[in-house]
Amino acid sequence: DTAVSQTPKYLVTQMGNDKSIKCEQNLGHDTMYWYKQDSKKFLKIMFSYNNKELIINETVPNRFSPKSPDKAHLNLHINSLELGDSAVYFCASSPWDLNNEQFFGPGTRLTVL
Amino acid sequence: SQQGEEDPQALSIQEGENATMNCSYKTSINNLQWYRQNSGRGLVHLILIRSNEREKHSGRLRVTLDTSKKSSSLLITASRAADTASYFCATPHDRGSTLGRLYFGRGTQLTVWP
Repeated sequence: DTAVSQTPKYLVTQMGNDKSIKCEQNLGHDTMYWYKQDSKKFLKIMFSYNNKELIINETVPNRFSPKSPDKAHLNLHINSLELGDSAVYFCASSPWDLNNEQFFGPGTRLTVL
Repeated sequence: SQQGEEDPQALSIQEGENATMNCSYKTSINNLQWYRQNSGRGLVHLILIRSNEREKHSGRLRVTLDTSKKSSSLLITASRAADTASYFCATPHDRGSTLGRLYFGRGTQLTVWP
């Protein structure tokens, strides 16, 4: 009955590889997000989708491409991985309202060697 | 930037003591939220306080908001070892063009010793 789920939980890969992280929410929310949390725990938004439409696209390298096949799923594909991409990536969802209370997934720890 | 900043960065107390964390932000808000993150886990929403509220309670949590000073505090009373976590304040942007954006501070790491 997990509300926001992400796979995989851990991802270890070599520089230059392409990888994907999947996210699904069963809360019926309209909006989904990807955040990156660095080693100092700073949480920065990367992307946001509302009803499969991209609404927030922060200054993120174009090696990162989000895909939303439906409003319950938001996947993150990363091309040509670099050492600096190592971080914990969190997916979140929220209703589309001004409260913007967000529900987070458990995170995916990406390590690029 | 509307980013919130928590203070202190780290707080270490004994079980049973109260823990107070502060958050300051920069521009107008319609609400402020506090989240908790246990080690290795995702963030969990704790409490939301609206801009027209000054204080809100939820169990052992008490949140205050002072919009004139652009600051908020989170008080955890009678702390327990299980309260050990990072605590973040977050403010949503209240303008339509950036609806959905939530700004997080860098968090306060709370350690509660048994």
